[in-house]
Amino acid sequence: GENVEQHPSTLSVQEGDSAVIKCTYSDSASNYFPWYKQELGKRPQLIIDIRSNVGEKKDQRIAVTLNKTAKHFSLHITETQPEDSAVYFCAASFTGGGADGLTFGKGTHLIIQP
Amino acid sequence: DADVTQTPRNRITKTGKRIMLECSQTKGHDRMYWYRQDPGLGLQLIYYSFDVKDINKGEISDGYSVSRQAQAKFSLSLESAIPNQTALYFCATSGTGGVTGELFFGEGSRLTVL
Repeated sequence: GENVEQHPSTLSVQEGDSAVIKCTYSDSASNYFPWYKQELGKRPQLIIDIRSNVGEKKDQRIAVTLNKTAKHFSLHITETQPEDSAVYFCAASFTGGGADGLTFGKGTHLIIQP
Repeated sequence: DADVTQTPRNRITKTGKRIMLECSQTKGHDRMYWYRQDPGLGLQLIYYSFDVKDINKGEISDGYSVSRQAQAKFSLSLESAIPNQTALYFCATSGTGGVTGELFFGEGSRLTVL
């Protein structure tokens, strides 16, 4: 089955700086890579996703890049703000782009220092 | 607003007791999921269902069972709870035929087994 490794487990950055979270996956058949954000005491929510037919996707201050050859993908947050503090989960799926069979990474706790 | 509702939100029980966690949704989605979240371990899939007649095991189904009573209802049961089943449990839904595989999570059910 799929195995998703996520690093780092904790990331502390100064407000206004950039943050990068990296994930690797094992199954070359995986073709859908979402990122979820979970604020303290809240439910996870999708913030961005990418499919294997593109290398990069942006949405305002967040972007995701995908390297299929190396089997890794990354989340980039620029100009970090206090509300970016949360746990972020990457995931990978091999089921044709749907939510079925999603394997999640263990999460990164992002801390934004004032 | 269409949503995913879990009951109970918090439950404390004793080893050996039978527990049922319930999930209902008003999103009209066909696909429903049960995930378990442990600190530092991310989200692990327990069971998922494509429709009332279709139930599939996830990566950690041992010790759990599910029932899809209707399109909108999906219950998770622990027949004989044990302490290492203490965790935060999330129900989630996703639609079919859409362009994304977004998971919509409920607010979570925190279970403590003493």
